[in-house]
Amino acid sequence: KQEVTQIPAALSVPEGENLVLNCSFTDSAIYNLQWFRQDPGKGLTSLLLIQSSQREQTSGRLNASLDKSSGRSTLYIAASQPGDSATYLCGSGGSNYKLTFGKGTLLTVNP
Amino acid sequence: AAGVIQSPRHLIKEKRETATLKCYPIPRHDTVYWYQQGPGQDPQFLISFYEKMQSDKGSIPDRFSAQQFSDYHSELNMSSLELGDSALYFCASSPPGRGLRRETQYFGPGTRLLVL
Repeated sequence: KQEVTQIPAALSVPEGENLVLNCSFTDSAIYNLQWFRQDPGKGLTSLLLIQSSQREQTSGRLNASLDKSSGRSTLYIAASQPGDSATYLCGSGGSNYKLTFGKGTLLTVNP
Repeated sequence: AAGVIQSPRHLIKEKRETATLKCYPIPRHDTVYWYQQGPGQDPQFLISFYEKMQSDKGSIPDRFSAQQFSDYHSELNMSSLELGDSALYFCASSPPGRGLRRETQYFGPGTRLLVL
């Protein structure tokens, strides 16, 4: 059974700092790895998806990497802003693309 | 752009009652996923449908059933509700085709169910 772990559980940084969120998974036979953002009490907003054959994806200030062999993915956020404050979830896509999620990293960016 | 619509947004039920949650996927999306997120927990996959057929099943209790209709909307029926069913229920949809778009799941705002 796939298990997904996210470290750290919480992170507080000053505005403007670059930061890295980590996601690890136990079963490397994944179809994809998807990063989401969740604001309190709200739904999940898809940020980036990396297919199993890819190494990284970029969107604006976000860059996500995937290393299937080591069971790891990272989400890099450049020049963080207070509006980036949210919980970030990674989900590993298994058969039929169903997602197994980690417990998330709660990010706080202080002005 | 149109998003996934879920109704109702909030629902309060008593124990042993039934509840029906509805999900309207993004237009022309043919796949629907249901997830349950308990308080302070990560979302757990319940069930998915592709082209109106069940495609996968996760940790969905036998008291729950779901289906996808001809217009691709989906309903999650929950019977004999228990206190532990209190959670945020998300629906996600994905479009037909191949590649990144096909695999990306677009989530709705969720239905918050409270069982008293």
